[in-house]
Amino acid sequence: GAVVSQHPSRVICKSGTSVKIECRSLDFQATTMFWYRQFPKQSLMLMATSNEGSKATYEQGVEKDKFLINHASLTLSTLTVTSAHPEDSSFYICSARDFRAGDETQYFGPGTRLLVL
Amino acid sequence: AQSVTQLDSQVPVFEEAPVELRCNYSSSVSVYLFWYVQYPNQGLQLLLKYLSGSTLVKGINGFEAEFNKSQTSFHLRKPSVHISDTAEYFCAVRRNSGNTPLVFGKGTRLSVIA
Repeated sequence: GAVVSQHPSRVICKSGTSVKIECRSLDFQATTMFWYRQFPKQSLMLMATSNEGSKATYEQGVEKDKFLINHASLTLSTLTVTSAHPEDSSFYICSARDFRAGDETQYFGPGTRLLVL
Repeated sequence: AQSVTQLDSQVPVFEEAPVELRCNYSSSVSVYLFWYVQYPNQGLQLLLKYLSGSTLVKGINGFEAEFNKSQTSFHLRKPSVHISDTAEYFCAVRRNSGNTPLVFGKGTRLSVIA
């Protein structure tokens, strides 16, 4: 089946620094990627949707200048948390879909645990 | 817009007993339905999906779900659970056209007791 990887799996950083999370589709072309955020014992909250080569579409309440998303290729998307603060600590999960191939399934990465001190 | 309600936040069940995790959805358009499982500190793994055709869908790990359009439900079932089934289960929906993201329920924590 389709595999999505994320790197790093966990990161600890100081407040004020920026953190980049990579999401890769390993065996399919991710025409669309989704970034979710998950708080402990809660569901997934969609942050943004990005189509390859286009600007990401952010959900209401998500600061696009704080959460920079780049989807420059069909296998890679990155999420950069700029000037991270403790309230940004969370579990970030990416998801990918090959819309052009007609695959209706979203495949998920293993997630990145971010802790901002 | 679509929404998903998972009626039970936690379901404890003894090993080898049957289980049903309930999911209801709301949508003004036709939808696709999915169940995902999440093990601790991991991403989501697809269990099964309903796109069209037979309303009884079989998935991995012995799970199945039945789409009931009149009741707008997509309940997940397994006839005999194992300790390894302990996890968080998410029901999700998206409209059946366009490139829209999944909308998730709040999840159901299945705890299998030995």
